[in-house]
Amino acid sequence: DQQVKQNSPSLSVQEGRISILNCDYTNSMFDYFLWYKKYPAEGPTFLISISSIKDKNEDGRFTVFLNKSAKHLSLHIVPSQPGDSAVYFCAARSMDSSYKLIFGSGTRLLVRP
Amino acid sequence: DAGVTQSPTHLIKTRGQQVTLRCSPISGHKSVSWYQQVLGQGPQFIFQYYEKEERGRGNFPDRFSARQFPNYSSELNVNALLLGDSALYLCASSWDIMGEKLFFGSGTQLSVL
Repeated sequence: DQQVKQNSPSLSVQEGRISILNCDYTNSMFDYFLWYKKYPAEGPTFLISISSIKDKNEDGRFTVFLNKSAKHLSLHIVPSQPGDSAVYFCAARSMDSSYKLIFGSGTRLLVRP
Repeated sequence: DAGVTQSPTHLIKTRGQQVTLRCSPISGHKSVSWYQQVLGQGPQFIFQYYEKEERGRGNFPDRFSARQFPNYSSELNVNALLLGDSALYLCASSWDIMGEKLFFGSGTQLSVL
């Protein structure tokens, strides 16, 4: 069963506009939620995280929102830039002893100049 | 500072063979975890090691094994390779087991023919 889902495999946005990437989860036993960005031939790079006790975290152009009642999180990128084009993974950190990350399947973002 | 380094970057094996993948964490990081990423999916947790002890294992068969050395580097071994083991194998490190921000290497692309 997929505990973390990204239902949109791809997203295309005009440069300068807002990109909104969405993620849903089905398990409440997560203490952190994270977003990673991945370019081809590179490993995932940490972007931003949010604790399960918060509902918003901001870092420059990136903001993550967490809606615990809906078990939904989103990443907002404003303004979007062509260099943001990549695959974005959301991940949830398990509260078991391994503290493993459970990843969604990713959303490919294309920012058009 | 050097990031997480993995070797080799690419590997081609045939069914039934055995493979060893290597990972050096960021200096000072004591926790290493391994993930498998199949094309079109998000990374899936295989193992976590902290202070040379296995702290978590994902839903992978016993053909998969790993270890962590006193210098915190790690090896992932896969025996009796199957075609389905073809994937990108990612190593990630963090300062300690509770660090929610994982730093990933670029991965080893394993192809099983």
